[in-house]
Order: sequence, then C-alpha cells, then structure tokens
Amino acid sequence: QVQLVESGGGVVQPGGSLRLSCAASAFTFSSYGMHWVRQAPGKGLEWVAFIWSDGIGQYYADSVKGRVTISKDNSKNMVFLQMNSLRADDTAVYYCVRNVELPMTVIGYFDYWGQGTLVAVSS
Amino acid sequence: QSVLTQPPSVSAASGQKVTISCSGSTSNIGYNYVSWYQQVPGTAPKLLIYDNNRRPSGIPDRFSGSKSGTSATLGITGLQTGDEADYYCATWDSSLSEALFGPGTKVTVL
Repeated sequence: QVQLVESGGGVVQPGGSLRLSCAASAFTFSSYGMHWVRQAPGKGLEWVAFIWSDGIGQYYADSVKGRVTISKDNSKNMVFLQMNSLRADDTAVYYCVRNVELPMTVIGYFDYWGQGTLVAVSS
Repeated sequence: QSVLTQPPSVSAASGQKVTISCSGSTSNIGYNYVSWYQQVPGTAPKLLIYDNNRRPSGIPDRFSGSKSGTSATLGITGLQTGDEADYYCATWDSSLSEALFGPGTKVTVL
C-alpha cells in the first residue's frame, strides 16, 4: 500500500529556515514526480512545488519562488522541501503528494497524499 | 484571489443531486486535465475524479466529472451525509507554469 510520511514540521521564527522530508514506500519512487501542497489553517489547498520523477526539473508557485527548493533522492525514496526566509503566511499543513502523469501536460493528477506536517511561523 | 472559480457552498437534501462548477481559462482548464478532490475536515484530501471524468477504483459512480471549454463540473448524486466535505478542482496552468486548485466548495447535506 502506497505510503507517504512527512516529517520536519514545527515552530520557526519569521526569517528562519526549515527542511521538510517525505518518506515514500510501496511503489517505484523513481518513476513518479512528487509535489508539495499546503493548507493554511481554515483555508483551501495551495500547490507549492513539483519535481519530475528523475529529480532534474522543478516548478514552483510564485508565492514561494526563490525561497523554497524541492529535491528528490531516488536512492532513498525521499522528497524534501527546503524552506528559507519563512513568513507568517507560510504557516500551514504541508502535504507530500504523488503525481501521476498524463499525456501532453506537465502534471496529471495527485493520487496519493501524506497526512501532512504542520509548519508554524511565529515569533 | 484564485485563478479558478468555485461556488463557496452548495447544499441539497439527502438522496438528491448537487453539481459543483469550476471555471477557469484557456491556459488552464481549456488546455489541461481537471481533477477533483474531497476533503473531510481534519483529514488529507482524496482523489475523486481524474482526467476530467474518470473515477479511481473505489470511488462510487455517484460521483461524476465533466469538462467543456474552460469549465468543469463535479456531480454528486444520491447525496449522503458522508459526502459532507470540501471539494476542490485542480489543473495545470500552461501560462503560469503552476498547478492550480480552486478555492473549494463546501457541500452540506440538509
């Protein structure tokens, strides 16, 4: 059964950094692109970043571009989100999500979601 | 302000039908696939519809999806209390090079 388990969340001061991790299991990790999607308290879903299956290419939401880096270690079945210069509006539950490709598009759809890890940016 | 538009809420009596619209533009819904997600508060979202109108295994046929031009629609028939949740549409925007979620629609069973 596909599993995605996030870790690394916590409380951080504005301007600080945090590295989120996601451990994947029960599927061929190197064949899938991966996303991070976040949800601020009481708000809707917001896509954050995507990385291709081979880890070579990435896409980022404008709201995090330049402050966030997504990376993928296919030898360890792990995906990471390095977040720098954190702001109060980065406070959210961060989900690790598997992508399924469809023809003629960058992303297909999000089929498996982790349970999320909470990041709280506060002084 | 979301690029995709959904009604904030819809409601209907148990056993009835609701539809949720998701409106966008050529660069997103017009050119790309739409998927739909159900989220019960406090839990992770769950995939309901992918490739505009396909259901993953385990999703009942009470849930259906369609797409026409720059809009997509999720339909839920035979509404049940367990369907009370937030529903989100999603797609890729080829101009922004970003994935997009709609703002979400809360379904209430009266």
